Amino acid sequence: QKEVEQDPGPLSVPEGAIVSLNCTYSNSAFQYFMWYRQYSRKGPELLMYTYSSGNKEDGRFTAQVDKSSKYISLFIRDSQPSDSATYLCAMSNTNAGKSTFGDGTTLTVKP
Amino acid sequence: DTGVSQNPRHKITKRGQNVTFRCDPISEHNRLYWYRQTLGQGPEFLTYFQNEAQLEKSRLLSDRFSAERPKGSFSTLEIQRTEQGDSAMYLCASSRDGEQKNQPQHFGDGTRLSIL
Repeated sequence: QKEVEQDPGPLSVPEGAIVSLNCTYSNSAFQYFMWYRQYSRKGPELLMYTYSSGNKEDGRFTAQVDKSSKYISLFIRDSQPSDSATYLCAMSNTNAGKSTFGDGTTLTVKP
Repeated sequence: DTGVSQNPRHKITKRGQNVTFRCDPISEHNRLYWYRQTLGQGPEFLTYFQNEAQLEKSRLLSDRFSAERPKGSFSTLEIQRTEQGDSAMYLCASSRDGEQKNQPQHFGDGTRLSIL
């Protein structure tokens, strides 16, 4: 079983919908939690970076971390067609060294 | 801040050949990472440098793989005697040094390796 599990989707929503993306993990030592967006044939682009538990908001994006449940979420409000991409969660023990990624959720936002 | 730069963007080679990829990190980023990503999978960690020191290597990094960062700036990843299973996207990332809690990794657009 993988350390980080992510529903691959695909997920299809109409423009303007609220999107919820989730990951679960098994390693209780993870303290840093990231969400990346990846377009086809491009590298992952950092969206959100969170340390420990709690919520973080940046524009239309909100990241939530629940360490007691080993569960993280990314919410996208007022979704746009340009949000159509693969979303990767990632986590690490420290602020240096390797990050462990989920396999990504593919999102399509239809106009 | 010009971002992480990787070259070449795409490499096609025959099985058994050697290939080398280059990564130029964001300036002032002392930490540099290599990952490998196959279709439908998330990136998998290969190795990590702090300046010129290689501090961590994954068991995925077989003896055919070698990475260097000779002057603590750019890095190269070499694969010797390539195999079909080496076909993947090779991603480089960099991050700042220091103990602060906000040191995320920023990725380049990768080198796509295709083995014929």
